Amino acid sequence: GAVVSQHPSWVICKSGTSVKIECRSLDFQATTMFWYRQFPKQSLMLMATSNEGSKATYEQGVEKDKFLINHASLTLSTLTVTSAHPEDSSFYICSARGPGQQKSYGYTFGSGTRLTVV
Amino acid sequence: DQQVKQNSPSLSVQEGRISILNCDYTNSMFDYFLWYKKYPAEGPTFLISISSIKDKNEDGRFTVFLNKSAKHLSLHIVPSQPGDSAVYFCASYPYNTDKLIFGTGTRLQVFP
Repeated sequence: GAVVSQHPSWVICKSGTSVKIECRSLDFQATTMFWYRQFPKQSLMLMATSNEGSKATYEQGVEKDKFLINHASLTLSTLTVTSAHPEDSSFYICSARGPGQQKSYGYTFGSGTRLTVV
Repeated sequence: DQQVKQNSPSLSVQEGRISILNCDYTNSMFDYFLWYKKYPAEGPTFLISISSIKDKNEDGRFTVFLNKSAKHLSLHIVPSQPGDSAVYFCASYPYNTDKLIFGTGTRLQVFP
């Protein structure tokens, strides 16, 4: 089945630094990738949608200059949290969709990254 | 915009009994509703879906019911097992989009 690998699974960084999270589709080409964040005991909130080779589309309220998304290849998308602050501490999850993948089966999700900014 | 709400944050059920998880939505324009299961510190995994033209879909112990007039859907798990203990999210694609929007989740605990 379709597998999405997300790395790292957890990261601790100092306030003001940048952190990069990788999302890879291991056995299929991901034409579209989605980035979500989840605060404790809350829902998964869609941050942005990225299509391979084009700029990401951000949801309302998400700062595109703070959360840089790159989808340079069909198997890799990265999310960089720039100048991280404690309020950026959250669980970040990516999902990927391949060509012809039926919507009725949803998308494949990575295992998530726990970001803690100190 | 489509909003998906799960009004029960938690549910506790005895092993072997039925678990019923509920979800309400606001916009009648949608393609599919999906149910996902999620463990802490992991990504969600797909369980079952239902299209807008159906009112029921069944897969093993999992059945989803859709009541379009009430804008309500429910996931039934029977019989419930301790391994079903997790957070369950309903999710929907707003009509004619690829974006998957999630509800707030319900934490299910199945006890022996």
